[in-house]
Parts: sequence; C-alpha cells; structure tokens
Amino acid sequence: EAQVTQNPRYLITVTGKKLTVTCSQNMNHEYMSWYRQDPGLGLRQIYYSMNVEVTDKGDVPEGYKVSRKEKRNFPLILESPSPNQTSLYFCASSLSRGIGGYTFGSGTRLTVV
Amino acid sequence: GIQVEQSPPDLILQEGANSTLRCNFSDSVNNLQWFHQNPWGQLINLFYIPSGTKQNGRLSATTVATERYSLLYISSSQTTDSGVYFCAVGEKNQAGTALIFGKGTTLSVSS
Repeated sequence: EAQVTQNPRYLITVTGKKLTVTCSQNMNHEYMSWYRQDPGLGLRQIYYSMNVEVTDKGDVPEGYKVSRKEKRNFPLILESPSPNQTSLYFCASSLSRGIGGYTFGSGTRLTVV
Repeated sequence: GIQVEQSPPDLILQEGANSTLRCNFSDSVNNLQWFHQNPWGQLINLFYIPSGTKQNGRLSATTVATERYSLLYISSSQTTDSGVYFCAVGEKNQAGTALIFGKGTTLSVSS
C-alpha cells in the first residue's frame, strides 16, 4: 500500500531532550515536507526537500532540523524541544512539487512539558 | 501570497442530508486538494483536483480553475463524515512552495 509512515504517533517529552520524528514513504517520491498544525494558526510548513541532500526552510523552521540522506526518509529533529513546539506534526510527500497531489502521514502529536 | 477561503466555517447536518463546501483561491494554482481531518487528527486525501470534476462514492468535487473556486459535494451524509474539511492549494510556478490550507469547514453529522 502506498503510504507515508510517521513514528511515533504520540510523544510526551521534557524540555531540552533531543528527539527525532521519523517519516518514510514507499512511493519513490522526490518531494517531502513537514508541517505543524496549531489551533488558530492552521497548517504551516516547517521544512521541505526536493530530493536527496536538498532541503530548504519553510515558513516556521526555527528550532527544527531535517536531513534527506535517502529518498524514502525525511526525519524531523528537535535538538532542544521547548513547550512552544507542542503541536500536531505531519509529514507529506509528492512525486514532484505537488504534481499528482500530496500524501500525508497519520500525524505525530507532540507534547513538550 | 495566495489566499484560500473556505465556506461555510461550520455545518451541522442530519444523517442523510446533502451538502456543498466551497473553496475560493486568489491566484493560479498547480495543485488543489481536498482533505478530511477525522476526529483522530489524521488528514485523509479526498481529491487531487486542480481542474475538472471527480467522483468517489458519495463524494464529488469540481474545480473551475479559470474562476478560482472548487466545490466539494457530500451526498447522503453519515456520522462518519464528521470532521474538518480542508481545501489546500499550491501556487503555480512556485518551486517548493508549501501547500496553502484554508481554515477548513467543520462538519457535524448527527443521527
């Protein structure tokens, strides 16, 4: 089944403890991106990658890192999480620049205390 | 940047009713999708429809790109249709640009 897989689905962590949210797609998509969803602010893009080793900042990149060493994986790294990074996170992929549409993962609900 | 407006913001229906959700966008797009966010927070892709008409069971969608709007039709609604419906667009000629989401229509279907 074609899908984007995120892990974990739920995570509660403490301020400053580094964490990684994994994202993997099995559709050979070139384009991958991360979004966060917050009440009243909607979905906003954090980072995106147009291909292996090519990443760029989205609208809200502060406090996050990403890497794209393989085409299928695009992990989101929070080096020192803070409470304002409590959010619902989504990974998405598409064939190229949205052509054909984006497929979203099931989301990761992160709480930083 | 491109603006995406959805209407109505909220919709309450009885099971079996039909509804139409609208999405207006302010500029040319190369991507338009409708999503359903279920009560568990998952974003389910309903349609990829930058132009034309598509149908999938009780749901159908139409996008008139020249007039910059899209419509999502839900027929014979069921309680499982409840949730938030988002329209999202990608700006034409903007490499790497994020999908721009509307604020959504919150649908509540009661039995």
